Amino acid sequence: AQSVSQHNHHVILSEAASLELGCNYSYGGTVNLFWYVQYPGQHLQLLLKYFSGDPLVKGIKGFEAEFIKSKFSFNLRKPSVQWSDTAEYFCAVNAPGRRALTFGSGTRLQVQP
Amino acid sequence: DAGVIQSPRHEVTEMGQEVTLRCKPISGHDYLFWYRQTMMRGLELLIYFNNNVPIDDSGMPEDRFSAKMPNASFSTLKIQPSEPRDSAVYFCASSLSAGGSSGNNEQFFGPGTRLTVL
Repeated sequence: AQSVSQHNHHVILSEAASLELGCNYSYGGTVNLFWYVQYPGQHLQLLLKYFSGDPLVKGIKGFEAEFIKSKFSFNLRKPSVQWSDTAEYFCAVNAPGRRALTFGSGTRLQVQP
Repeated sequence: DAGVIQSPRHEVTEMGQEVTLRCKPISGHDYLFWYRQTMMRGLELLIYFNNNVPIDDSGMPEDRFSAKMPNASFSTLKIQPSEPRDSAVYFCASSLSAGGSSGNNEQFFGPGTRLTVL
């Protein structure tokens, strides 16, 4: 069975600080990887996804993530966060042929002005 | 497109009552998912449909939960009887198959239904 671990449960940063949120997955085969964001009171939105090709994926709002197969990781990064990035971030994975997503427990990011 | 529509947005009910949550997927999407979000368990899949047919219901917690998709534009998740431990946010999501089986298509989420069972 596949699983996703997000080790940072709550991160507090000041504006302009750099961000890296960890995501590790457990699955032996090829996977598709996603980062979703949930702004306060809103629904989940896709930030970026990886399914093949360049392991460095760029998403919306200046976010990027790097797939490192040897480490089973798909960490999310942003060089300079803004107050508006305050949200909860979820890493998710599915295996090709399995449509449903397995989510990590989420990381709550609080950006202080 | 209005996106995935869920109703009601909030539901407060008493233990033992029947609860029905509703979802309208994005037009043309052939996959529909029901997820539940709780503090303890995070986001977990309950069931998903493809072309109105349930494909995987292994996440449905028990017989009190049932889901239907009578047509391509409507799905319901019913809890009968409801219990306080069912309190959670229930999300519906839909996606479009690309003709392949890669599963990498984006799932679009609805705003969720916040259920409180007293």
